[in-house]
Amino acid sequence: EPEVTQTPSHQVTQMGQEVILRCVPISNHLYFYWYRQILGQKVEFLVSFYNNEISEKSEIFDDQFSVERPDGSNFTLKIRSTKLEDSAMYFCASSVGDLYEQYFGPGTRLTVT
Amino acid sequence: AQKVTQAQTEISVVEKEDVTLDCVYETRDTTYYLFWYKQPPSGELVFLIRRNSFDEQNEISGRYSWNFQKSTSSFNFTITASQVVDSAVYFCALVDLRKDSSYKLIFGSGTRLLVRP
Repeated sequence: EPEVTQTPSHQVTQMGQEVILRCVPISNHLYFYWYRQILGQKVEFLVSFYNNEISEKSEIFDDQFSVERPDGSNFTLKIRSTKLEDSAMYFCASSVGDLYEQYFGPGTRLTVT
Repeated sequence: AQKVTQAQTEISVVEKEDVTLDCVYETRDTTYYLFWYKQPPSGELVFLIRRNSFDEQNEISGRYSWNFQKSTSSFNFTITASQVVDSAVYFCALVDLRKDSSYKLIFGSGTRLLVRP
């Protein structure tokens, strides 16, 4: 069964460093999302991406964040200068259509020290 | 405002008990979608069900059933004869269908279910 994959599963970085989180959505999906979950808290929307552009972004998704679909398969989230409060689990999700269920990857746990 | 409330932070039951997880939502939209996701201890988010606002029929899938009540803005989830493997955090979510929305999921805070042997 097709699934969303994410790499790495765990990333440790120092404050101020840049990180890139990678996702490979399900191949025939057209809508892509990033969410994050701070430990023990709810899952929060960061950004949605469709037709090679951002559809919507939350107030969390400030200038330090960017997303890219560099080729036909990968979908990346970049944080330019990480802060301690960026420590969280980051989930990538994709869906085949705008109102279809979103399938989530296993997440990347980002730890900023 | 679009909002999902899961008032039960944690529930503990003994195996084989039935358990109901509550979800109450707020939305200005007349058309919307509701979801349940399961997050087992391994951390991934597993899709369980999607329900649209026009379909108020209850749904049953094995030991899982869902009760959608528009009148009370609730979409409750019942597990019958719970098993230890049901132990997880369960999230209810709403899709925001405003005109300029990208159909992002708005999650509740989750209910942690612990099923004891």
